[in-house]
Amino acid sequence: AQKITQTQPGMFVQEKEAVTLDCTYDTSDPSYGLFWYKQPSSGEMIFLIYQGSYDQQNATEGRYSLNFQKARKSANLVISASQLGDSAMYFCAMREQLMDTGRRALTFGSGTRLQVQP
Amino acid sequence: KAGVTQTPRYLIKTRGQQVTLSCSPISGHRSVSWYQQTPGQGLQFLFEYFSETQRNKGNFPGRFSGRQFSNSRSEMNVSTLELGDSALYLCASSATSGRADTQYFGPGTRLTVL
Repeated sequence: AQKITQTQPGMFVQEKEAVTLDCTYDTSDPSYGLFWYKQPSSGEMIFLIYQGSYDQQNATEGRYSLNFQKARKSANLVISASQLGDSAMYFCAMREQLMDTGRRALTFGSGTRLQVQP
Repeated sequence: KAGVTQTPRYLIKTRGQQVTLSCSPISGHRSVSWYQQTPGQGLQFLFEYFSETQRNKGNFPGRFSGRQFSNSRSEMNVSTLELGDSALYLCASSATSGRADTQYFGPGTRLTVL
């Protein structure tokens, strides 16, 4: 089973509008972390936002916010006031403790390509 | 603070050769992880090093190996290159390897195997 599912391969949004990128996850670890990264065409992965499984409030970082619904195992990224420079691939990732090794590892979803239109 | 650096940025090799990629983490970071990114398989975890010890390993053949030095710099080596090893190899560093520890990525090394 997929640990991280991003169901939107591609999204379009108009400049200055808000957009939500979906992410659902699956884990049996009660203590996990969720991350969103942005990858422009240059290739570098840029950290955007973090949400811990025990955090009571949704994380926010500037124009980025994370809509965390723990019971639904959902961690959607909301980008407000989209800019042309937001056009990139966006990856949801989870850091959890692996049952077989006891070690923590970061698992990525397949990504969503966001295109911001003027 | 300088970010994660990776060298070289681009590499072209032929099948059967071996290659070594280098990663310098953010100053003070002791954990270094390596990932392979391909269009078909997406981002896949290779291994993680912390204080010169391999803490975790992904599901890759033994041709893929790595090490970490006392200054936290890390290298990964791929021997007997195959066409399928063509990929973007990303290195990431974090202060520790805890649940909440954010991994910061370098620009990647794009490897092409001919």
